[in-house]
Amino acid sequence: SQTIHQWPATLVQPVGSPLSLECTVEGTSNPNLYWYRQAAGRGLQLLFYSVGIGQISSEVPQNLSASRPQDRQFILSSKKLLLSDSGFYLCAWNSEQGTLAASPLHFGNGTRLTVT
Amino acid sequence: AQSVTQLGSHVSVSEGALVLLRCNYSSSVPPYLFWYVQYPNQGLQLLLKYTTGATLVKGINGFEAEFKKSETSFHLTKPSAHMSDAAEYFCAVSSWGDKVIFGPGTSLSVIP
Repeated sequence: SQTIHQWPATLVQPVGSPLSLECTVEGTSNPNLYWYRQAAGRGLQLLFYSVGIGQISSEVPQNLSASRPQDRQFILSSKKLLLSDSGFYLCAWNSEQGTLAASPLHFGNGTRLTVT
Repeated sequence: AQSVTQLGSHVSVSEGALVLLRCNYSSSVPPYLFWYVQYPNQGLQLLLKYTTGATLVKGINGFEAEFKKSETSFHLTKPSAHMSDAAEYFCAVSSWGDKVIFGPGTSLSVIP
């Protein structure tokens, strides 16, 4: 069966420090991978998505970047964190079986980032 | 462009009462519709989805939703609420060639 792992679960970082969040998927190949951010009391904002190794699409200009060094690994990074980067970060995957748009997303358990 | 609205950011029901969470969407092409549930400090989990075919869709944990094209709605229901149903619920829409769009979410509280 497929599983998705995200770490760390919680993170407290000072303003101006770097960030690296990692997500890995097991049990599937060539998944589409996504990073979402969920601010307190708000919905999900798509940050990045990737359809293959080295292929990253950015949805929102911001202080963050993403990379996909391996097929099932997706990394979210920042060189210098801002207070506004605080939030709950979720990694997700789906795969194109038939119609991609009909394929549900499978989410990790998230990383709660607090920038102080 | 697609959009999703969820009427009521917070809904409270008594244990054993009917759960009704509302979702309306906007899409210029036939939509695919989803309901996800999120428990505190966890990721989202798929409850059910509508792609094609039968408009009444049954999901996990006793939930179901009905796709009504004329009303552009996909409301989520459960006949009898359990304490364990307390969570955040998200409606989402996607269509061919477009990425999924999530609604703002509805927080469900269940009163004993």
